[in-house]
Amino acid sequence: NAGVMQNPRHLVRRRGQEARLRCSPMKGHSHVYWYRQLPEEGLKFMVYLQKENIIDESGMPKERFSAEFPKEGPSILRIQQVVRGDSAAYFCASSPPLLAGGPNYYNEQFFGPGTRLTVL
Amino acid sequence: DQQVKQNSPSLSVQEGRISILNCDYTNSMFDYFLWYKKYPAEGPTFLISISSIKDKNEDGRFTVFLNKSAKHLSLHIVPSQPGDSAVYFCAARYGGATNKLIFGTGTLLAVQP
Repeated sequence: NAGVMQNPRHLVRRRGQEARLRCSPMKGHSHVYWYRQLPEEGLKFMVYLQKENIIDESGMPKERFSAEFPKEGPSILRIQQVVRGDSAAYFCASSPPLLAGGPNYYNEQFFGPGTRLTVL
Repeated sequence: DQQVKQNSPSLSVQEGRISILNCDYTNSMFDYFLWYKKYPAEGPTFLISISSIKDKNEDGRFTVFLNKSAKHLSLHIVPSQPGDSAVYFCAARYGGATNKLIFGTGTLLAVQP
């Protein structure tokens, strides 16, 4: 069973260009999460998606960033008009459907290897 | 606003001894806590977790302790091995409909042979 796949692993963009990061979840997983890790910091939650639906985008910057998880194909994190401050490692995670909530149940998130974005 | 804090950026331990990694949090709404291990150029790997209704969870050489009154958790690794050398992240989950995780800044553990 293949793990979470992310591509590209490294992406270089010049300021003002667009960056598209792809994430293929593990087989059977219908939930995808995107996190960003800036240098010397921990991972910061960006967005949580199910197929064709955004569940929680509380961590997404208000402008230039968007995410989707279509019915078919990988999840895409798109950054328009990139700036140097967007340089970071972007990690995708996936989990199976949440069957229950509360402190008795945790739906493990499996992380991909990340995409390292460098903006020149 | 750092809701999950790991105040020790690094820790060095001799092989065979105990490693203790600490984590503090501020939000009482967190209902699950996790430790992830991360090697350079790889994604985080789940290590061990604990529910907010427990105070201890053990898995082989790894034990996590939760002190809710102090809003503090710790990860104990006994005995430590050189292969344990990595960055360890503490993470907390909000209760409710979201499964999002709030991560600490990480502690780099170096286990010396």
